[in-house]
Amino acid sequence: KQEVTQIPAALSVPEGENLVLNCSFTDSAIYNLQWFRQDPGKGLTSLLLIQSSQREQTSGRLNASLDKSSGRSTLYIAASQPGDSATYLCAMRDANAGKSTFGDGTTLTVKP
Amino acid sequence: EPEVTQTPSHQVTQMGQEVILRCVPISNHLYFYWYRQILGQKVEFLVSFYNNEISEKSEIFDDQFSVERPDGSNFTLKIRSTKLEDSAMYFCASRAQALNQPQHFGDGTRLSIL
Repeated sequence: KQEVTQIPAALSVPEGENLVLNCSFTDSAIYNLQWFRQDPGKGLTSLLLIQSSQREQTSGRLNASLDKSSGRSTLYIAASQPGDSATYLCAMRDANAGKSTFGDGTTLTVKP
Repeated sequence: EPEVTQTPSHQVTQMGQEVILRCVPISNHLYFYWYRQILGQKVEFLVSFYNNEISEKSEIFDDQFSVERPDGSNFTLKIRSTKLEDSAMYFCASRAQALNQPQHFGDGTRLSIL
């Protein structure tokens, strides 16, 4: 059974800092990995999708990497802004391309 | 950009009552999902649906739950006799045919059982 862990659970940084959020998983037989943003009481906004054959994806100030052999993914946020404050979730889609298994999330606060 | 829409945004129901949560997936998508998130907990998979049948379900998705695609556009989740522990945010998601496509999530329905 896939287990997904996100570290740290919470992170507070001053505006402008670069930061890294971590996601680890136990079963490397994944189809792809998706990073989401969730604002309080809101839905899930997809940020980046990495296929199992890829090593990284970039979108603007965001860069996500995937290392299946070590069971890890990172989300790098460059030049953080207060508007980046949210909970960030990683989710693994299993090799049958069916359900996704989510981590607990990292709650990011970027202080002005 | 097309999006998944869910109604209502908030549903309050008495324990023991039936509730139907509605979702309109993105129009050319073929795979549909329901997830739930109990307050302060992880997003959990409930069920996936393809070709008018359930393709996978979790242990949470017991006989009290059912899903339906009644008219080719809506995708519904029914809880037959709600319990207090069914209180959660319920998310619908859909995905296009190609296996490498992402799941697109709706904004969720917050279900409160009294």
